[in-house]
Amino acid sequence: DAGVIQSPRHEVTEMGQEVTLRCKPISGHNSLFWYRQTMMRGLELLIYFNNNVPIDDSGMPEDRFSAKMPNASFSTLKIQPSEPRDSAVYFCASSLPQGVNTIYFGEGSWLTVV
Amino acid sequence: SQELEQSPQSLIVQEGKNLTINCTSSKTLYGLYWYKQKYGEGLIFLMMLQKGGEEKSHEKITAKLDEKKQQSSLHITASQPSHAGIYLCGADNTGNQFYFGTGTSLTVIP
Repeated sequence: DAGVIQSPRHEVTEMGQEVTLRCKPISGHNSLFWYRQTMMRGLELLIYFNNNVPIDDSGMPEDRFSAKMPNASFSTLKIQPSEPRDSAVYFCASSLPQGVNTIYFGEGSWLTVV
Repeated sequence: SQELEQSPQSLIVQEGKNLTINCTSSKTLYGLYWYKQKYGEGLIFLMMLQKGGEEKSHEKITAKLDEKKQQSSLHITASQPSHAGIYLCGADNTGNQFYFGTGTSLTVIP
């Protein structure tokens, strides 16, 4: 079975450019999570959706970051404009409804902003 | 929000030695997960614990969740260089949110 699929796997972009990271959750999962991993701060939860609705975006660092989930099978995390300090690994994860507590992670999107 | 503290932050051991990594929560855990991450790679799921007092093993790695479900330990027996990496605990506090611990970097010297 296909797991959580993220794209791109690696991206190098110039400061000021818009970056869009994509995630396809596992079919049937109704919760989706975006995480950012940096050396300084470890793995941080940015935002999570339940049934395509953003539930908690308190982890989103600033207004340059936005996330959408237009349907149950697709989500995007956008950074506009990007800055060098946004360089990190961004993980997407999905899970089954509450009470079935298994979460699956994508392989991550490695972002470098120069 | 959920807070998960891991200790130690980093660990360097000689090959063949045993080691333990701890994960402590400020709240009762709904589920506790252990992951391993090799440098520059994605997250590898190791095991999940749900019940107080539960213990699971996979090869030379054993994880326990204490009775109060606020602390978990990961124990590696006879460590090998292949065990090197970052170990992360993660917790589900209500079934809706999932947070990671601060991480433990493990180096195994041959």
